Amino acid sequence: DSGVTQTPKHLITATGQRVTLRCSPRSGDLSVYWYQQSLDQGLQFLIQYYNGEERAKGNILERFSAQQFPDLHSELNLSSLELGDSALYFCASSTGQGVRNSPLHFGNGTRLTVT
Amino acid sequence: GENVEQHPSTLSVQEGDSAVIKCTYSDSASNYFPWYKQELGKRPQLIIDIRSNVGEKKDQRIAVTLNKTAKHFSLHITETQPEDSAVYFCAAIAEGSQGNLIFGKGTKLSVKP
Repeated sequence: DSGVTQTPKHLITATGQRVTLRCSPRSGDLSVYWYQQSLDQGLQFLIQYYNGEERAKGNILERFSAQQFPDLHSELNLSSLELGDSALYFCASSTGQGVRNSPLHFGNGTRLTVT
Repeated sequence: GENVEQHPSTLSVQEGDSAVIKCTYSDSASNYFPWYKQELGKRPQLIIDIRSNVGEKKDQRIAVTLNKTAKHFSLHITETQPEDSAVYFCAAIAEGSQGNLIFGKGTKLSVKP
């Protein structure tokens, strides 16, 4: 167990809908990262938060947004969902602002299916 | 920004043989190179990492080598076992970046008994 908790495990929804994915980082970790993994694809970095502030942005669509709350948990909001948004969404956490001195630890992911 | 290329995309070996996966990176300032293993339906897990101040690091049957001049690093698995079957991802991070990892596209390793 990595200590990173993601809910829900599975999510099935229809096109056009909006969903929220939740992540609780490991105890003591201040950074939260979101990654998208589509079928047979690698891990695409979406966004990073550190202690409540956005630190880095990757290939995140405008329909997607995220935030990190004072208790350090994070939520990824996906709106106007399309079939192509079906993927496994991973949350990861690390102690510091980056991963050079503290490795990245992944949660078990949320599998999103858009029908 | 950083770009990481990984080869091969699939690799099949017989149990007991060695497996080598190679990655190249574009940012010469990169200084941290982890490898993650992802079993089917599970989360990626860190198996080994190397920093740019060393050329090689070993952990039992797993080793990683780094060639900073050529900007490539490799994962070596010796005496492969069926439980080594998984997708392996390399990653890199650049000095001065926000700290996020850029991953290669992964190598699906199959170890045949």
